[in-house]
Amino acid sequence: EIVLTQSPATLSLSPGERATLSCRASQSVSNNLAWYQQRPGQAPRLLIYDTSNRASGTPARFSGSGSGTDFTLTITSLAPEDFAVYYCQQSSDGPSYIFGQGTRLDIK
Amino acid sequence: QVQLVESGGGVVQPGGSLRLSCVASGFPFQSFGMHWVRQTPGKGLEWLALIWDDGNNKYYTDSVRGRLTVSRDNSKKTVFLQMNSLRVDDTAVYYCARRYCGRSKCYFDGWGQGTLVIVSS
Repeated sequence: EIVLTQSPATLSLSPGERATLSCRASQSVSNNLAWYQQRPGQAPRLLIYDTSNRASGTPARFSGSGSGTDFTLTITSLAPEDFAVYYCQQSSDGPSYIFGQGTRLDIK
Repeated sequence: QVQLVESGGGVVQPGGSLRLSCVASGFPFQSFGMHWVRQTPGKGLEWLALIWDDGNNKYYTDSVRGRLTVSRDNSKKTVFLQMNSLRVDDTAVYYCARRYCGRSKCYFDGWGQGTLVIVSS
């Protein structure tokens, strides 16, 4: 089974700063990777799919990149509402859907 | 706007059963596959089951196969999760989510607010 490892576990930044979140897969997932945002008390929300495609309603400050086993979610200038937990997720045939353990983005 | 509302959670004893429901609105429900996903502090997010738009294909993660059954009623825009032989480690928030497909694979877009299931004696 594929394992997704996210780093760092917690990232402390200030509004306006750039955030870089990492997701590493234990084996290649091609570009079949998504990112979700979960704010406190809310359900996850799809941000990015197929590695780099923004979902409907995702602000342009969010971007995804990578391929194979290494993926990155970048937030270019943090807005107050961006402080949340972020999960990566891969989809494969079976079907099978695996989530990473999450990165908590905290206000510094 | 995709809206999904889960219900049916609660407290149940080990070995008991629950039936979760998820009512959809804001999109053509009969055209979308639907997932169930659960979340715990310890194990994080875990995909449980998928049912295709017509209900003819169903898939489960290995750990729940045989205990959980997904079904749907397109006339009522509702997807269900029947949970039997519940265990303490089934305690979680249970979400339904819409299946959304990119170029080659599918993901989860549109989630309900979740319903809490507590399995405890």
